[in-house]
Amino acid sequence: NAGVTQTPKFRILKIGQSMTLQCTQDMNHNYMYWYRQDPGMGLKLIYYSVGAGITDKGEVPNGYNVSRSTTEDFPLRLELAAPSQTSVYFCASKGGGNSPLHFGNGTRLTVT
Amino acid sequence: SQKIEQNSEALNIQEGKTATLTCNYTNYSPAYLQWYRQDPGRGPVFLLLIRENEKEKRKERLKVTFDTTLKQSLFHITASQPADSATYLCALDSDRAGNNRKLIWGLGTSLAVNP
Repeated sequence: NAGVTQTPKFRILKIGQSMTLQCTQDMNHNYMYWYRQDPGMGLKLIYYSVGAGITDKGEVPNGYNVSRSTTEDFPLRLELAAPSQTSVYFCASKGGGNSPLHFGNGTRLTVT
Repeated sequence: SQKIEQNSEALNIQEGKTATLTCNYTNYSPAYLQWYRQDPGRGPVFLLLIRENEKEKRKERLKVTFDTTLKQSLFHITASQPADSATYLCALDSDRAGNNRKLIWGLGTSLAVNP
């Protein structure tokens, strides 16, 4: 049982480049989330989805886009990378009710 | 503004002792509170969830308390082991629907258990 899988693990981008962070889960969870984690800032919600075809903004959505065409996949798109997007990005999923979050192991992104 | 505070300084304890971590919050009315463990280079892993109407929850060597009057949760690890060394995060949610869109996170407390 793989859980939540994120790729790539590491990436270096130049300012203005674009990329997609991949996230897939095999637990048939309806809810999926993208967080970023910065030193001294804690986890911040970027976007979330309550099911295929439904996405919504979190606390820090600017500079990012998401899509949810299937239950399993929830990619995060950075269109014009900026140094402020240097961070560790975590994808998570959960089932219904008060079930806990299941996290992937993150993507460490550096924008130079 | 809403705020969560966890012990900012790292906690160092001797193997076999009880570790106690604190999570305080202000300007917030959580419906439930969660504790996660995070190891370096890994994503957080869920440990325990406690609801606003519960005082205490236990799971093996772990115990969490929740005092909505004091606005505080305490997380205890009894008979601590070096393998318990990690960063522990608390997270609060005011949304009883449980979709986590309002979940807010503490910065975490680093615990080191020395053999």
